[in-house]
Amino acid sequence: EVQLVESGGGLVQPGGSLRLSCAASGFTFSSYSMNWVRQAPGKGLEWVSYISSSSSTIYYADSVKGRFTISRDNAKNSLYLQMNSLRAEDTAVYYCARDRTGNYWGQGTLVTVSS
Amino acid sequence: DVVMTQSPLSLPVTLGQPASISCRSSQSLVHSDGNTYLNWFQQRPGQSPRRLIYKVSNRDSGVPDRFSGSGSGTDFTLKISRVEAEDVGVYYCMQGTHWPFTFGPGTKVDIK
Repeated sequence: EVQLVESGGGLVQPGGSLRLSCAASGFTFSSYSMNWVRQAPGKGLEWVSYISSSSSTIYYADSVKGRFTISRDNAKNSLYLQMNSLRAEDTAVYYCARDRTGNYWGQGTLVTVSS
Repeated sequence: DVVMTQSPLSLPVTLGQPASISCRSSQSLVHSDGNTYLNWFQQRPGQSPRRLIYKVSNRDSGVPDRFSGSGSGTDFTLKISRVEAEDVGVYYCMQGTHWPFTFGPGTKVDIK
């Protein structure tokens, strides 16, 4: 069974940093591209970042470019999102999702940016 | 960026009746590899999104056959042949052809 489990969310002050993790199981992680998608409270879905299976291709939404860094460790079946210079508008549930078709999603981790 | 629009944004339906959601993209979603990465997601209240349809018309495993997807190029449709109570939620179309991948605004389906 495919499972994606996010962790690392929490309350952080504006300008602060957080590192999200996504632990994958039930499939060959190294064979799939991965993504981070977020959803602000009561709002729609926004694709944040994409990383190819080998990490050779990485994309960021303009809203996070220069502040967020996506990475993966195929040996540990894990996906990461380093978030720096956080703003109030980054407050959202962050999901990891498998491949460019969004085949599987985790349960999400809530990031709240507030003083 | 590719802009995805959906209509209607709110869809009250009667149990057992059909429902249809339209999704349009601001440019063609045909990828250079020949695939059209237009996907549909359902998000029930309090849950993570769940993919229903991938690459326009392919139904995911476990998705009831009352759900179907169609379309091409820039114009796509999700149909529910007979709405059931468990279909209440928000439905999103999403394009995975052009980066940044983008979602439609969502269509809220509820029961009349």
